[in-house]
This record gives sequence, structure tokens and C-alpha cells, in this order.
Amino acid sequence: AQRVTQPEKLLSVFKGAPVELKCNYSYSGSPELFWYVQYSRQRLQLLLRHISRESIKGFTADLNKGETSFHLKKPFAQEEDSAMYYCALHSGNTGKLIFGQGTTLQVKP
Amino acid sequence: NAGVTQTPKFRILKIGQSMTLQCAQDMNHNYMYWYRQDPGMGLKLIYYSVGAGITDKGEVPNGYNVSRSTTEDFPLRLELAAPSQTSVYFCATERGAGNEQFFGPGTRLTVL
Repeated sequence: AQRVTQPEKLLSVFKGAPVELKCNYSYSGSPELFWYVQYSRQRLQLLLRHISRESIKGFTADLNKGETSFHLKKPFAQEEDSAMYYCALHSGNTGKLIFGQGTTLQVKP
Repeated sequence: NAGVTQTPKFRILKIGQSMTLQCAQDMNHNYMYWYRQDPGMGLKLIYYSVGAGITDKGEVPNGYNVSRSTTEDFPLRLELAAPSQTSVYFCATERGAGNEQFFGPGTRLTVL
């Protein structure tokens, strides 16, 4: 079964601390994975995708096929990173996304 | 360009009432999606469309219907509202499969 799991509902860190938001997936095939972010009072938007291998706003995510993980990392958290983060798996050729449960990141001053 | 728009922003329905959630886009994207967002559950796909005249069920389609007569519009219909349909509904568009999805601002629906 295709599934995305984000084990943490809430992750609270202090400003300047490293951040790792966990994402594990289950997919029989070559996965396409995304991180979407929803800031307060804003729309859900794409943060990054594993194909592009970019660093966006200091965040990176590496696809680990052996561990079936796509964890989101940032070395030094900022207060403006506080948001809801969703990991998502692209399923099939219809564009359907399977979302994880979401993790709320709270960066304290 | 407005991108993806949704109306209404908020709505309270009584059990058994009907309503249509509107979604419109000016991005000329073929793919459109309806999701519902429940606390602690992430986003669940209700229905999707890969082009005008083509729709298909997602993960949680029961209690909903859609139509796609034009590229721009993808309304979601609730025929007999139930408390279990209390949720935040998001519409999204995509240029093609596997690309970035662009989301609307959402409609917060409460069924009492």
C-alpha cells in the first residue's frame, strides 16, 4: 500500500537549533517525494521536491531508498520557519499526491 | 493573475442541506484536485480531474460529487451534508502529473 507517515504531530525547537522533520513512505516503485508548507494564514505551497535536489530557505531533504525516508532538515531554525509541514508522495500518472499527517514546527525565540 | 480561487471562505450548514464549493483557476492547468484537511489526518483526496469532461474518485469520495465542464472550473457538490463533512476543503491545480500543485485558500465548512 502507498503510504506516507510523519511520526511527529508537533516539533518544538529554539531559534538557531537544528531541525529534522521526519517522513517515511511506502511505495512499490521509484518514488517522487515533495515537502509542502503552510504558513499561518497562507496557502499550502511547495517547499521542495527531491528531484530538484535544491536547498530552499535553508531546508534540504534527501531521499533514502534503503530507509524509505525523506526527512526535511535545516541546520539553524528561524522563527519564520514556524508552520505546518506536509510530506507528500506522487502516486501514479494522474498527479495524485498522498500526504502525510503533517508536522507543526514551532520555533521559539 | 488570481491563480486558484475558492468560494465561499466559510460556511455553516445544517445536516441534510446541500451546497456547492466553487473552485476556479486562471493558470490553464489541466489537472485539478479537491482535498479535505482534518486535524491530525493530513490532506485526503476527494476527487480529481485530468481535463475538462474527465473526473475520477480519490480516496474519500463518498458524499461528494464533482463536474468539470471547463478547464477553469471544478465545483464540489455536497448533496446531503453530514457532521462528518465538517472540514477545511482545498482545491489545487497542476500543469501535469508529478509537477507542483498550486492550492487555493480553502473553504472552512461546518455541518451542525
